[in-house]
Amino acid sequence: SQQGEEDPQALSIQEGENATMNCSYKTSINNLQWYRQNSGRGLVHLILIRSNEREKHSGRLRVTLDTSKKSSSLLITASRAADTASYFCATDFAGANSKLTFGKGITLSVRP
Amino acid sequence: GAVVSQHPSWVICKSGTSVKIECRSLDFQATTMFWYRQFPKQSLMLMATSNEGSKATYEQGVEKDKFLINHASLTLSTLTVTSAHPEDSSFYICSAPGGLAKNIQYFGAGTRLSVL
Repeated sequence: SQQGEEDPQALSIQEGENATMNCSYKTSINNLQWYRQNSGRGLVHLILIRSNEREKHSGRLRVTLDTSKKSSSLLITASRAADTASYFCATDFAGANSKLTFGKGITLSVRP
Repeated sequence: GAVVSQHPSWVICKSGTSVKIECRSLDFQATTMFWYRQFPKQSLMLMATSNEGSKATYEQGVEKDKFLINHASLTLSTLTVTSAHPEDSSFYICSAPGGLAKNIQYFGAGTRLSVL
């Protein structure tokens, strides 16, 4: 069963604006990750945040994690048309043997 | 970074035939690989965990005899959709864990299966 629930399900913004996507999960986790999927392609890993971390940055990406609320957010700053894709959060937990549980995904459209 | 190659990227077959999809880790070894199925505009559904040298572990509701998985080496896992039917049409994606802690998944590009 899917653990992650992202919101919004779809987001459309203008190039240059920031995009914020949220993810909630149900059980305790080891790590939370965000992946990106271009249409008809495989997923690409973006960023991983550990359960004992609260915020992490990578280039134009900023991810936060609130374990008390079981939620995470992904912020993409200064968005570009090339950021148009689907974004998934994924969680893993102790003893899962690298197995990830993916959320439903958010479709981001960045208008040029 | 680690690269996972998946082949073919697209296959059309007649109902009743079997289709094999290959997943290779090109520059790292993978004792475990994962197979997912994805319907349009939906998330990934884990079908099974492929284990090198042993039987695959299937998720609840996935037919073992329908979706045969073979992990013949440390770099190759195959998924065979046996006696495919139109309802098996979907996007199939494989992944392999990598990174220092083996907690990052590296994905193949996916295989679009269309069963006529």
